[in-house]
Amino acid sequence: GENVEQHPSTLSVQEGDSAVIKCTYSDSASNYFPWYKQELGKGPQLIIDIRSNVGEKKDQRIAVTLNKTAKHFSLHITETQPEDSAVYFCAASIRTGANNLFFGTGTRLTVIP
Amino acid sequence: KAGVTQTPRYLIKTRGQQVTLSCSPISGHRSVSWYQQTPGQGLQFLFEYFSETQRNKGNFPGRFSGRQFSNSRSEMNVSTLELGDSALYLCASSLTLTNEKLFFGSGTQLSVL
Repeated sequence: GENVEQHPSTLSVQEGDSAVIKCTYSDSASNYFPWYKQELGKGPQLIIDIRSNVGEKKDQRIAVTLNKTAKHFSLHITETQPEDSAVYFCAASIRTGANNLFFGTGTRLTVIP
Repeated sequence: KAGVTQTPRYLIKTRGQQVTLSCSPISGHRSVSWYQQTPGQGLQFLFEYFSETQRNKGNFPGRFSGRQFSNSRSEMNVSTLELGDSALYLCASSLTLTNEKLFFGSGTQLSVL
C-alpha cells in the first residue's frame, strides 16, 4: 500500500516568517494530495489540496507544490500568525472510487509571537 | 450548514466490552469514512460506506465493524475491546465515493481501561 513520509515532525517559526512542510509518497498511482490542519480537541480540517495534473496551487497565505517525478509535495505557509499553530498532516490517495487517505505522521507547527 | 457530528465525544470502557460510535455526515453527503488516530500509529483508515454498503476496508481486525443507514448516518462498533483500541475515532464525510474532499468531525475519544 501507499506509504507517506512527512518532515519535520516539529517546526517552530517566528511570527511573520514562512514555514515549509515536506512529504514524500511511494505509490506512483496516487493522484490526490490534501493537507489537513488539526487543532487541539478538534478533527482534521482540510486547508488545501492538489491533484496530480497540477504542479502548484495557492490560497492566500498557503501554497502546495507537487513534484510527481520525485514523488514529493510540500506545504508553504507565508507570513505565519500565532493562529497557524497546530498539527499539519499531508495525505495521499488513489482516486479509484474510494476515499481512503494515507496520512503522514504530522508536523507540529508553533508560531512564536 | 452543520458539519460532521460525532457522538459521544468521550467514552470510557473496560477490556472485553463493546462500544458503538455514531456519525452524522454533512447534509447531502452520502459517503462516510472512519479513521483511527493514535499517537503511535497516526491516522489510519478503518472503512468507508456509501449507499449503505461497505465499499472499502482498511487493515483492522474483524472486531471493528460498521454500518450505514438510509439517511447516510453511520455507526461504528468495536467488540471485545482491548487496551490498544484506546484512540480518537474520526468520522469523515464526502459528497460521493469519487469526490475527494473529506470533511472530518471532532471525533470520539475512546479510553479502554
